Amino acid sequence: DIRMTQSPSSLAASVGDRVTITCRASQTIRRYLNWYQQKPGKAPKFLIYAASNLQSGVPSRFSGSGSGTDFTLTISSLQPEDFGTYYCQQSDSTPYTFGQGTKVEIK
Amino acid sequence: EVQLVETGGDLIQPGGSLRLSCAASGFIVSSNYMTWIRQAPGKGLEWVSVIYSGDNTYYADSVEGRFTISRDNSKNTVYLQMNSLRAEDTAVYYCARLGSVQGYLSLDYWGQGTLVTVSS
Repeated sequence: DIRMTQSPSSLAASVGDRVTITCRASQTIRRYLNWYQQKPGKAPKFLIYAASNLQSGVPSRFSGSGSGTDFTLTISSLQPEDFGTYYCQQSDSTPYTFGQGTKVEIK
Repeated sequence: EVQLVETGGDLIQPGGSLRLSCAASGFIVSSNYMTWIRQAPGKGLEWVSVIYSGDNTYYADSVEGRFTISRDNSKNTVYLQMNSLRAEDTAVYYCARLGSVQGYLSLDYWGQGTLVTVSS
């Protein structure tokens, strides 16, 4: 199975800050990498597919990059509604494993 | 509008069985890949199972041999039959569509989740 490792596990940032979350795969997954946002008590929300493509309706302050084994999710200017836990997920091969999550808090 | 509604979660004793349902609307289940994802209390997301449009299925090692994913095309519904339940199966279970854009698969629509608690 492909192991997905996110860092950091949690972070606290101020409104307006640039936030970067990294995701590393244990083997190459080409660009088969998705990002999701989850708020407490809610289902995850789909943000980005194919490493860098924003799902319709996702604010442009979110962006993704990377290929192979190393990926990043960037929030260019953190907003109050961006709190929550972010997960990466690979869809290169089954099982379609998730990272352990990065909890983002607003200072 | 695409909607997924899970039902069937309950408190069940270890060793028991439970069937979860996921009723879909706004798209045809038989033409799509459908998955179950779970989240134990306070923990991260764990992928559980997928059923492909050709009826091929795949399971996480943790549930292989105990869980079965299936669908009823006439009801546009996906199921997860869970047998030999263990305490570690306690989680919120989400149904999600595994959509495809230019060959890239992603969980583009999710249900609200249903809670399964395995405890004596």
